[in-house]
Amino acid sequence: DVKVTQSSRYLVKRTGEKVFLECVQDMDHENMFWYRQDPGLGLRLIYFSYDVKMKEKGDIPEGYSVSREKKERFSLILESASTNQTSMYLCASRTGPSPLHFGNGTRLTVT
Amino acid sequence: QKEVEQNSGPLSVPEGAIASLNCTYSDRGSQSFFWYRQYSGKSPELIMSIYSNGDKEDGRFTAQLNKASQYVSLLIRDSQPSDSATYLCAVLNTGNQFYFGTGTSLTVIP
Repeated sequence: DVKVTQSSRYLVKRTGEKVFLECVQDMDHENMFWYRQDPGLGLRLIYFSYDVKMKEKGDIPEGYSVSREKKERFSLILESASTNQTSMYLCASRTGPSPLHFGNGTRLTVT
Repeated sequence: QKEVEQNSGPLSVPEGAIASLNCTYSDRGSQSFFWYRQYSGKSPELIMSIYSNGDKEDGRFTAQLNKASQYVSLLIRDSQPSDSATYLCAVLNTGNQFYFGTGTSLTVIP
């Protein structure tokens, strides 16, 4: 089974802090994704990556950046956290035409 | 027009009944379709994939695809309280991008 691991289940950060969300997958998938999920808005794509050191903006990249130095690891960075970035963050990976496989999610609260 | 649309519900069915969840999509060339189940506070979990017209059955779950009508559905037979969750429809479009509906909340009443 594909395993996608997000480093933290819950995070509480202060406004203005730099926040790192880490995601690791163990199936050698080329493609990795970061989504956020908010009530009534569904899943929204922040950034994705098709390969090491490659990144593409999704639908809502503002306020975020990403890093993919190794194939198995995809990090989401909140440069200066704000309260409107309080959300559930979901990492996912896939290869070829396969479905997305999600990590357990990180519930981030910015106070 | 949204890429993927679902009725948000909530949908309530009695235990043992059939729950029917529906989804429409806008990209006519889409080839891959998925249903995810998401329990409250958890991440989405893949329950069905379907790629060709017709029905695909897996246990109590049946996915139905009609590409001409751009319509995907999920039937849950003999619904159980443990099926209470939000069900997300996902479509892989011709641009190789996933699009999700906002989900249908299902409650199975014992």
